[in-house]
Amino acid sequence: AQKITQTQPGMFVQEKEAVTLDCTYDTSDQSYGLFWYKQPSSGEMIFLIYQGSYDEQNATEGRYSLNFQKARKSANLVISASQLGDSAMYFCAMRVSNDYKLSFGAGTTVTVRA
Amino acid sequence: NAGVTQTPKFQVLKTGQSMTLQCAQDMNHNSMYWYRQDPGMGLRLIYYSASEGTTDKGEVPNGYNVSRLNKREFSLRLESAAPSQTSVYFCASSATDTGPYEQYFGPGTRLTVT
Repeated sequence: AQKITQTQPGMFVQEKEAVTLDCTYDTSDQSYGLFWYKQPSSGEMIFLIYQGSYDEQNATEGRYSLNFQKARKSANLVISASQLGDSAMYFCAMRVSNDYKLSFGAGTTVTVRA
Repeated sequence: NAGVTQTPKFQVLKTGQSMTLQCAQDMNHNSMYWYRQDPGMGLRLIYYSASEGTTDKGEVPNGYNVSRLNKREFSLRLESAAPSQTSVYFCASSATDTGPYEQYFGPGTRLTVT
């Protein structure tokens, strides 16, 4: 079974600074995908970024980048130039091989301070 | 294009009552999922349907049943609600023909069982 670990329950970051959210995963599959989702206080789940296990470059989407270290089994999310609207809970998730199910971590709450 | 819709948004049940949570998607996705979200535990998969006509158990299926009514609709039924089923329930859908198969989520149903 796949396991996702997010060890930071909560983080504070100053507006305009960068923040890194940790995610480690455990799987015996060689083919897998890693996802990050954002959940603002309004409750909806928003897909942010994806990294495939065979992708050679780290994924980037605007201010979001994924620091993928395959040997360490980590897929950390970096949010650059934090904005007040980035205050939310962030979830790391994983899918393996041709299985479409996602396994989620417990989440990290980010609070951006003005 | 509404994406994934869920009804109701809020529900209060007494122990032993039954109810059905409705979910529909208009993105022509093959796969649909039901999750529950509890504090500190991320999202846990209850049931999923890889394609129309199939359903499978996820991580926490006990106390729930599902029906994939057609390609668009996937319902979750609680036959005899228990306080342990107090949670936020999310429905999601994903494509299975083009990667990375990210899941799109509905707005959630907040269920309280007293």
